[in-house]
Amino acid sequence: QVQLVESGGGVVQPGGSLRLSCAASGFSLSIYPMHWVRQAPGKGLEWLVVISSDGSYTRYADSVKGRFTISRDNSKDRLYLQMNSLRGEDTALYFCGRDRPYMDVWGKGTTVTVSS
Amino acid sequence: DIVMTQSPDSLAVSLGERATINCKSSQSLLYSSDNKDYLAWFQQKPGQPLKLLIYWASTRESGVPDRFSGSGSGTDFTLTISSLQAEDVAVYYCQQYYSSPRTFGQGTKVEIK
Repeated sequence: QVQLVESGGGVVQPGGSLRLSCAASGFSLSIYPMHWVRQAPGKGLEWLVVISSDGSYTRYADSVKGRFTISRDNSKDRLYLQMNSLRGEDTALYFCGRDRPYMDVWGKGTTVTVSS
Repeated sequence: DIVMTQSPDSLAVSLGERATINCKSSQSLLYSSDNKDYLAWFQQKPGQPLKLLIYWASTRESGVPDRFSGSGSGTDFTLTISSLQAEDVAVYYCQQYYSSPRTFGQGTKVEIK
């Protein structure tokens, strides 16, 4: 069964850091570019970042550029999002998605809350 | 950045009736080299992963009921649910994958009248 499962969310203080993980099963992560997308409470979807299948290319949304870093470990079928200098506006449900180039498989998301 | 604008923001449709959602992009999503429109439609229900319904503007994803259809080209696109079922209550999003950032429409909430 093709599946993505996000983890690593939680409550963090402003200025803090968090590392999200996305585990792939039922397919090999190594052949697909991957994305992170988020959804603030009661809001729409915001695309954050894409990484190429081999990790050599990344592209970030302006809202997270310089603060977030995407990476992947294809040997473990895992995608990551390192989030630094977190702000209140980063509070959201974070999803990973597979690229074909449309995003055909998504996880259920992991919740990040930035609050003091 | 390509701006995606959906209309309406919400709509209420009777069971068995047609629901139509529009999506307009600020620039053409038609890629000349392959003559494909880089536009997808998604369905979102609480607690569930986003579900891909339509890609290349009009290609239905495997397993998606044929009451869902996509149309349009260039900058104007439509998602149609031909006969609304109770399980179709959800929020629907369009997204362009023509260029990064991969922008979404603001979403359209579909309810039963």
